[in-house]
Amino acid sequence: NAGVTQTPKFQVLKTGQSMTLQCAQDMNHEYMSWYRQDPGMGLRLIHYSVGAGITDQGEVPNGYNVSRSTTEDFPLRLLSAAPSQTSVYFCASGQNTEAFFGQGTRLTVV
Amino acid sequence: AQSVTQLDSQVPVFEEAPVELRCNYSSSVSVYLFWYVQYPNQGLQLLLKYLSGSTLVKGINGFEAEFNKSQTSFHLRKPSVHISDTAEYFCAVGRNTDKLIFGTGTRLQVFP
Repeated sequence: NAGVTQTPKFQVLKTGQSMTLQCAQDMNHEYMSWYRQDPGMGLRLIHYSVGAGITDQGEVPNGYNVSRSTTEDFPLRLLSAAPSQTSVYFCASGQNTEAFFGQGTRLTVV
Repeated sequence: AQSVTQLDSQVPVFEEAPVELRCNYSSSVSVYLFWYVQYPNQGLQLLLKYLSGSTLVKGINGFEAEFNKSQTSFHLRKPSVHISDTAEYFCAVGRNTDKLIFGTGTRLQVFP
């Protein structure tokens, strides 16, 4: 099992560019989530999904889109990158009482 | 609504000393409680979780936590820390693992 795989690990974007952060899990988990981690703020929930075809907004959804067409994949799209989206992004998958996290994507928007 | 407060942003401690990382939570419904550890440049790893039952929960790497419902706390403890315990520790709450609410984290720095 690879667990939760995030790509890319690092990315630099210019303001206004769009991109997709990839997240894949091979544990057949129903739940998948995206968080961003900023210094002094812990992890904040962006979007989450409780199964294929079902997504919902978390605490900080503005500027991000998600879709869940398969159980395995949960991509996060930045529509028009802004410097405020500079952060470390973590994808997680889980089943009931345990979440497994990917290694993170460090995104810088200049 | 749920919230988590980690009272200490940094905790310095010498090797082999005991440590306690504090976590208080607020929730109008019953929730599960978690402690995660993040080593530098890595993702989060589950240390332990409280679901129900015994209020003393034992986790990996010698850590344990005690759930106190009356004080709405879930403090993490280790009787003797090692250099390798240097990391950031996050307390989290949630009814399921799709929507975890995290605290702001406590950086544990263990000195030789």
